[in-house]
Amino acid sequence: KAGVTQTPRYLIKTRGQQVTLSCSPISGHRSVSWYQQTPGQGLQFLFEYFSETQRNKGNFPGRFSGRQFSNSRSEMNVSTLELGDSALYLCASSRKESNLWNEQYFGPGTRLTVT
Amino acid sequence: AQSVSQHNHHVILSEAASLELGCNYSYGGTVNLFWYVQYPGQHLQLLLKYFSGDPLVKGIKGFEAEFIKSKFSFNLRKPSVQWSDTAEYFCAVATTINQAGTALIFGKGTTLSVSS
Repeated sequence: KAGVTQTPRYLIKTRGQQVTLSCSPISGHRSVSWYQQTPGQGLQFLFEYFSETQRNKGNFPGRFSGRQFSNSRSEMNVSTLELGDSALYLCASSRKESNLWNEQYFGPGTRLTVT
Repeated sequence: AQSVSQHNHHVILSEAASLELGCNYSYGGTVNLFWYVQYPGQHLQLLLKYFSGDPLVKGIKGFEAEFIKSKFSFNLRKPSVQWSDTAEYFCAVATTINQAGTALIFGKGTTLSVSS
């Protein structure tokens, strides 16, 4: 069974640009969550999608957005990039509607560098 | 809001030494706790989890963790580490946000370096 895949794996963008990252969950998984990992802040929750609906969102500005498609694939978008957005963006999927008892399976991440 | 703190930022051990990594969480009702590991160049993998029942949980690769409710702790242990255990370890708690859906709240991580 294929794991969570994320594309692209590496990305370099300039301040002010926007970027779209993609995540394909494990087959059969319907919940997708996104996390930002930085050396200073660690792993921080961005948002979670289930059945094409954003169920909750972490404490990030509106420049960060996402969506989920009918096949459960998800994209996240960051507009007006800032240097501080440089991070590893992780996607995680889980089988059922997200609840406290679900395990999340993580992808390899997309390394975004903003110059 | 839930929070997770990991006491040790960087731990250095020799092979065969015993390991204990500390993790404390803030109280927020029902807690479900996890330890994840990130080996160099690899993605986050689940080591073990605690949902309910026996507070001593066993995970993969010989790791175990003990949930102590009175201390709000979920420490990770391994009796004898190997060089291949060199990695970053994250403690996490599942929490409900806005009464809908959940998120994992992670600690800042502990880097374990094992010398052979």
